[in-house]
Amino acid sequence: EAGVTQFPSHSVIEKGQTVTLRCDPISGHDNLYWYRRVMGKEIKFLLHFVKESKQDESGMPNNRFLAERTGGTYSTLKVQPAELEDSGVYFCASSQPGRREAFFGQGTRLTVV
Amino acid sequence: AQSVTQLDSQVPVFEEAPVELRCNYSSSVSVYLFWYVQYPNQGLQLLLKYLSGSTLVKGINGFEAEFNKSQTSFHLRKPSVHISDTAEYFCAVSSLGGYQKVTFGTGTKLQVIP
Repeated sequence: EAGVTQFPSHSVIEKGQTVTLRCDPISGHDNLYWYRRVMGKEIKFLLHFVKESKQDESGMPNNRFLAERTGGTYSTLKVQPAELEDSGVYFCASSQPGRREAFFGQGTRLTVV
Repeated sequence: AQSVTQLDSQVPVFEEAPVELRCNYSSSVSVYLFWYVQYPNQGLQLLLKYLSGSTLVKGINGFEAEFNKSQTSFHLRKPSVHISDTAEYFCAVSSLGGYQKVTFGTGTKLQVIP
C-alpha cells in the first residue's frame, strides 16, 4: 500500500513567487493534515481536512496560504506570494476516520530566497 | 491549549549504551501521546503511541515509553542503541476529544557514536 506522497520534495523560489505543494494521502483516509516546521522549531499544525471540508484551519499563518482538497482526494497548499519566513519543511499526514494514528509524508522542503 | 517540551535538543550516546529522551507535556484536558522518528532524508514515522491502558508502551525498533500522568511525562527509552537509531525524535500530544491535530515538541536529535 502506498504511503502519503508529497510533491515536490524540494522547491526553491524567489520572494514574491507562487508555489503549490501537493499531497496524496493514503487511499481511504478521510482525514488530511498539513503541518510546517520552520528551521530549528517545532512542527506546527496548519490545517485539517475531513474529506473535502476544512475542519480546522486555525494554524494557517495568513491569507497568503490557500489549501484545497478537491473531491476529498489529494490536497494542494498554495503560497502566494511567498515570503522569506515561509521557508521550512511542509508535512502532510493522513488518517482513517476515527483513528488517532496519522501517517506522514516525507515533506516538502521549501526555500524562499 | 497544549504544549510539549523536549528539553534536550541533542543527545549523543555511544553504541550499545542505554538512552532516555525526555518529554513533558502540558494540557488542560486528557491527551493521547506519541513519539515520532525522522530518519535522515525521510518522513516522520510513528514509533509508539499511548492511547489508554498500560502506561508502559512498547514501540518499534526496541523503543518503549512510559506515561506518567502525575509528572505529565512520556519519556522514551531504549536499553541498547544502534548506529541506525541516529535520527530526530519528536514527542507529540493530541487531545482526546475534538479535533485530531497533533502538537509537537521541538525534537531531540539522537546521535549514536560508534
